[in-house]
Amino acid sequence: AQSVTQLDSQVPVFEEAPVELRCNYSSSVSVYLFWYVQYPNQGLQLLLKYLSGSTLVESINGFEAEFNKSQTSFHLRKPSVHISDTAEYFCAVKPDHTDKLIFGTGTRLQVFP
Amino acid sequence: DAGVIQSPRHEVTEMGQEVTLRCKPISGHNSLFWYRQTMMRGLELLIYFNNNVPIDDSGMPEDRFSAKMPNASFSTLKIQPSEPRDSAVYFCASMAPNTQYFGPGTRLTVL
Repeated sequence: AQSVTQLDSQVPVFEEAPVELRCNYSSSVSVYLFWYVQYPNQGLQLLLKYLSGSTLVESINGFEAEFNKSQTSFHLRKPSVHISDTAEYFCAVKPDHTDKLIFGTGTRLQVFP
Repeated sequence: DAGVIQSPRHEVTEMGQEVTLRCKPISGHNSLFWYRQTMMRGLELLIYFNNNVPIDDSGMPEDRFSAKMPNASFSTLKIQPSEPRDSAVYFCASMAPNTQYFGPGTRLTVL
């Protein structure tokens, strides 16, 4: 069975500071990896994804994540956060043999001025 | 592209009433998913369809819940009768190859 672990339920950080949101997964089969962001009272928006190719993937708003197969991780990073990055961030994996996504429990990023 | 469309965005009803949530997937997407999100249980997959056929409904909480997908551009999730514990945000998502895209959700409150 597959599982996704987001160890940090909340991450408080000051504006312009760097941040890393951790995601580890467990799977016996190949997976695709995703980060979704949920702003207050909104749906989940795809932030970035790894399907194949370069293990470092980037979003349009400055986030990046690196697929590390040996450590089964897909941590999300941003070198300098903004107040507007305050949101819930969900890591998810999709096993190769199914259409279903397995979500982590989410990390609430709170950016303070 | 308009994205996944859900209606209504908010629904307030009384216990025992029937509730119908609607979803229009992104054109060309072959799979459609219904999720429920609550503070207590997080994000739960209720059911998903592929080419309009239900593939996995193991997440549907009980017989009060039913879902249909009569064609490639429309799906409904019905709760009859509704109960206060059904209060949640219900999301619909559709999938391009390997990637799910979510709608804005329907916030359901059952009094």
